[in-house]
Amino acid sequence: DAGVIQSPRHEVTEMGQEVTLRCKPISGHDYLFWYRQTMMRGLELLIYFNNNVPIDDSGMPEDRFSAKMPNASFSTLKIQPSEPRDSAVYFCASSSVTGRQETQYFGPGTRLLVL
Amino acid sequence: DAKTTQPTSMDCAEGRAANLPCNHSTISGNEYVYWYRQIHSQGPQYIIHGLKNNETNEMASLIITEDRKSSTLILPHATLRDTAVYYCIVRVGGWGKLQFGAGTQVVVTP
Repeated sequence: DAGVIQSPRHEVTEMGQEVTLRCKPISGHDYLFWYRQTMMRGLELLIYFNNNVPIDDSGMPEDRFSAKMPNASFSTLKIQPSEPRDSAVYFCASSSVTGRQETQYFGPGTRLLVL
Repeated sequence: DAKTTQPTSMDCAEGRAANLPCNHSTISGNEYVYWYRQIHSQGPQYIIHGLKNNETNEMASLIITEDRKSSTLILPHATLRDTAVYYCIVRVGGWGKLQFGAGTQVVVTP
């Protein structure tokens, strides 16, 4: 398996523009997670899905952020409008529950810079 | 989820065992101990997890004290590629949200 795939790997945009980050989870996994990493706040969970349904979005910073999972093999995280404080590395992870345990596999991340 | 405490950093000589401590004194009975690591510029990588018993896999060993208030991750023969930030995470039930702290920066030197 190719692992979790994220695109783009790097994104530079200007403040006010819309940004869309994409994630393809590992085939057969039924959980999908979006995390954000910054120097100030470390790694923090934004939202996660189970069987394409959002389960916990309490980490989504504000209404400018939205996430969707239209099918089991694709998810997007959208920021509209983007702001400089959104600059971070965004990770997608996927997992499945095996024997009441789940191991999350992370993608390589998308490095976002908002100017 | 229980809070964890880890040293900020530690060094280890290549080829030697690296012992990474983690305190989780407020852990409750249904919380598991997980270890992940993050090599620079990469996504976090799962290492190992446990509930009460000691665990071993191809990457590492996890030793959990009898009272479960602390644990130690052991990398038996550290290599330069083990240089990374290591996160100890305590989680209820074994799935869902992972709450990452600051972790321990481990530097393996030749």
